[in-house]
Amino acid sequence: KQEVTQIPAALSVPEGENLVLNCSFTDSAIYNLQWFRQDPGKGLTSLLLIQSSQREQTSGRLNASLDKSSGRSTLYIAASQPGDSATYLCAVRPDTGRRALTFGSGTRLQVQP
Amino acid sequence: DGGITQSPKYLFRKEGQNVTLSCEQNLNHDAMYWYRQDPGQGLRLIYYSQIVNDFQKGDIAEGYSVSREKKESFPLTVTSAQKNPTAFYLCASTWGYNSPLHFGNGTRLTVT
Repeated sequence: KQEVTQIPAALSVPEGENLVLNCSFTDSAIYNLQWFRQDPGKGLTSLLLIQSSQREQTSGRLNASLDKSSGRSTLYIAASQPGDSATYLCAVRPDTGRRALTFGSGTRLQVQP
Repeated sequence: DGGITQSPKYLFRKEGQNVTLSCEQNLNHDAMYWYRQDPGQGLRLIYYSQIVNDFQKGDIAEGYSVSREKKESFPLTVTSAQKNPTAFYLCASTWGYNSPLHFGNGTRLTVT
């Protein structure tokens, strides 16, 4: 059974810092991996989707990398801003069988002004 | 404006009552999903549907039921058999496996 782990559970940084969020998964047979953002009391917003054949994806100040063989992904946020404060979740989709996403429990990020 | 609408935002029920959560999408997506989120935890899959009139159980389907009579609608019923129904419920949809998952803003259900 796929397990997705995100470390750290919470992170507080001063504004302007570059930071890295980590995601690891136990089964490398994945179809793709997605990173989401969740604001308090809201639904999830998709940030980046990386196909299993890709190494990274970029969107603005966000860069997500994928090392499928080692079961790891990172989300890099450049020049963090207070508006980046939210919970970030990663999720993996298996490449066989039931193709529903399995989610990590998230990293809660606080960017201090 | 395309998106997923979940209603109501907050729902309060007495123990022993069934309750139905609404999920409507106008994105023309085939696949729809229901997830449950508890504090400090990731999302857990309740039910999903790849196509109209077809749905499958997720990891925690006991005490829940769904229907998919229309492409745009995927209501979730929380029955009295669900032992711990108080949670945040999220509905999602997607074009397919290569596409991002889109979420509604959730329904917070409190059962007392």
